[in-house]
Amino acid sequence: AQKITQTQPGMFVQEKEAVTLDCTYDTSDQSYGLFWYKQPSSGEMIFLIYQGSYDEQNATEGRYSLNFQKARKSANLVISASQLGDSAMYFCAMREGDTGGFKTIFGAGTRLFVKA
Amino acid sequence: DGGITQSPKYLFRKEGQNVTLSCEQNLNHDAMYWYRQDPGQGLRLIYYSQIVNDFQKGDIAEGYSVSREKKESFPLTVTSAQKNPTAFYLCASSPVGSLTEAFFGQGTRLTVV
Repeated sequence: AQKITQTQPGMFVQEKEAVTLDCTYDTSDQSYGLFWYKQPSSGEMIFLIYQGSYDEQNATEGRYSLNFQKARKSANLVISASQLGDSAMYFCAMREGDTGGFKTIFGAGTRLFVKA
Repeated sequence: DGGITQSPKYLFRKEGQNVTLSCEQNLNHDAMYWYRQDPGQGLRLIYYSQIVNDFQKGDIAEGYSVSREKKESFPLTVTSAQKNPTAFYLCASSPVGSLTEAFFGQGTRLTVV
């Protein structure tokens, strides 16, 4: 079964607008971490933001925020004021602390295109 | 500066040859991971190790082998048994027992001709 689901293969956003990238996850663990990574065309994986399962407040890092809805098992990434340099692949990921052995598993990714 | 170094960045091999990809980290992390990424796809876990001299298979271990003789190093060998070895390979590390993020190397792009 898919543990991380990203249903948007590609997204377009106008420069300076906000965009939401969707992510749902499946776990029976109580303790887990959720992440978003950015992968530009160079291939490197850039860590963006982290949300722990016990964190009550949504994580924010600059223009990135994670909309964490635990009951719905969703962890959407919101990018505010999009920039041309935001064009890249974005991956949602999870680490499970109980049954998952702390290894990180990834979704299929969403390719974001920022239009000038 | 602490980080993960993968070498080489690009690698070409003839079909039927084994090839070893290097991964070294100086972050003092106990856990290390190898992922494979095909074009337009997500990352799939090949092998991971949480301690020296121990490692576990991930989702797509067939045709690959690893060793973990030192904490800093986790080389991946792509054997001739791997039917479709051409891919982008990423190495990562993290502290054991922590739910915080994994750190990645720059990746090795392997092309088998």
